[in-house]
Amino acid sequence: SAVISQKPSRDICQRGTSLTIQCQVDSQVTMMFWYRQQPGQSLTLIATANQGSEATYESGFVIDKFPISRPNLTFSTLTVSNMSPEDSSIYLCSAWGQTNQETQYFGPGTRLLVL
Amino acid sequence: RKEVEQDPGPFNVPEGATVAFNCTYSNSASQSFFWYRQDCRKEPKLLMSVYSSGNEDGRFTAQLNRASQYISLLIRDSKLSDSATYLCVVDTGRRALTFGSGTRLQVQP
Repeated sequence: SAVISQKPSRDICQRGTSLTIQCQVDSQVTMMFWYRQQPGQSLTLIATANQGSEATYESGFVIDKFPISRPNLTFSTLTVSNMSPEDSSIYLCSAWGQTNQETQYFGPGTRLLVL
Repeated sequence: RKEVEQDPGPFNVPEGATVAFNCTYSNSASQSFFWYRQDCRKEPKLLMSVYSSGNEDGRFTAQLNRASQYISLLIRDSKLSDSATYLCVVDTGRRALTFGSGTRLQVQP
């Protein structure tokens, strides 16, 4: 299995500021993803983090608001820019297992509260 | 129309009961199907993949009907520890997952 860690685990931020979330996988993985889970809702895909190229964003999500970096096969960052209270959510990164390609593993999530 | 639809529940069942969850998906090109389990304030974890032939893992049985675009999960002999939200999940082939809204199960003593 892939072990995924995220930092920070939680944060409280002021509106208008930005927060960068880090995701570290314990093995090299081809694909990494960022999801958002708003209060009381299920997960929504934000983007696919591509190593060595720009991330692929889903409808409703843009690079200026959620810039993503993927400098290598084990690490990615998601920045939530110019935050508003509507960005209060849990942000999760994920990756398919290297040996078990049928399982997508998730990090523990970053709980963000924007005041 | 949502891409993946589930009854949100909650399903309140006594210990030992059998409970079934259903899910429908709209994209006929979907290739892979899963049930994930999410405990309160935790990340989702894979419960089982779902195959056209159906598959069973202990007390859990999953079925897929591609013609009807319908997925099911059956839990037999429910335990208190089964209380969680069950997420129906679809991969349309891009290797990114689309989640249903989840069905909440509460098993009561």
